[in-house]
Amino acid sequence: AQSVTQPDIHITVSEGASLELRCNYSYGATPYLFWYVQSPGQGLQLLLKYFSGDTLVQGIKGFEAEFKRSQSSFNLRKPSVHWSDAAEYFCAVDNSGAGSYQLTFGKGTKLSVIP
Amino acid sequence: DTGVSQDPRHKITKRGQNVTFRCDPISEHNRLYWYRQTLGQGPEFLTYFQNEAQLEKSRLLSDRFSAERPKGSFSTLEIQRTEQGDSAMYLCASRQNNEQFFGPGTRLTVL
Repeated sequence: AQSVTQPDIHITVSEGASLELRCNYSYGATPYLFWYVQSPGQGLQLLLKYFSGDTLVQGIKGFEAEFKRSQSSFNLRKPSVHWSDAAEYFCAVDNSGAGSYQLTFGKGTKLSVIP
Repeated sequence: DTGVSQDPRHKITKRGQNVTFRCDPISEHNRLYWYRQTLGQGPEFLTYFQNEAQLEKSRLLSDRFSAERPKGSFSTLEIQRTEQGDSAMYLCASRQNNEQFFGPGTRLTVL
C-alpha cells in the first residue's frame, strides 16, 4: 500500500532562516507528488506539484521541492521563512498510477516561526 | 473562478443525530472527493465520484456514512446515528488535470 512519511511533527525556525520539510513516500510506480499548506481551521492550499520532468519544482510563496527517486523523497524548501508561513504542511502522493485516484497524505509537519 | 465551497462550515450535534454536509465543486470538474481529517492527522480518503457515479469507497466509510452526487454537480455526505468518534473536519475536493482543489471543510463536533 502507498504511504507517505513526514518524520518531523513540529519544526520551529526563526524568521529569515531557511527551511526544509522532509517527505518520504512508498509507491510502486512513478508518483505524482504534492505539498499542501493548511492554516488553522482552513482547507488545504496547493503549494506545488511534481508530475514528471525537472526534479526541482517551484511553487507559490517562494517554496520549492526536489524529487529524488533514489531516496523516495520530495522535500520542501524555502530559503527565507516569513512569519506568515507558520502553518501545517502536508505531503501527498496521488495513486492514479495504481488505478486509484485518491491522495494519500502524510501526517503533516507543523511549522512555527519565531519573530 | 469560484473555488470549492462547503456548507455548513461548522456543525455541532448530539450523539445519535443525523447530519448532512454539502459540497459544491468547481464547475466542470467531473471528479469529486471526500476526505476526513482528525486532529493531528493528515486527511484520509473516504470516497470519490466521477460525475454521478461513486467509484471508490474507503473502508473508513462505515454503513452509517452515505454520499451522493445525484446530478454530477454538488455532493452530499450524510452521517447517520453520529458517534463521538465522527468528530473531525470533513474536506471536499474536486479534481482536474491530476490536481485536487480543496474546499474550506466542515468541522463536525459530536457531543
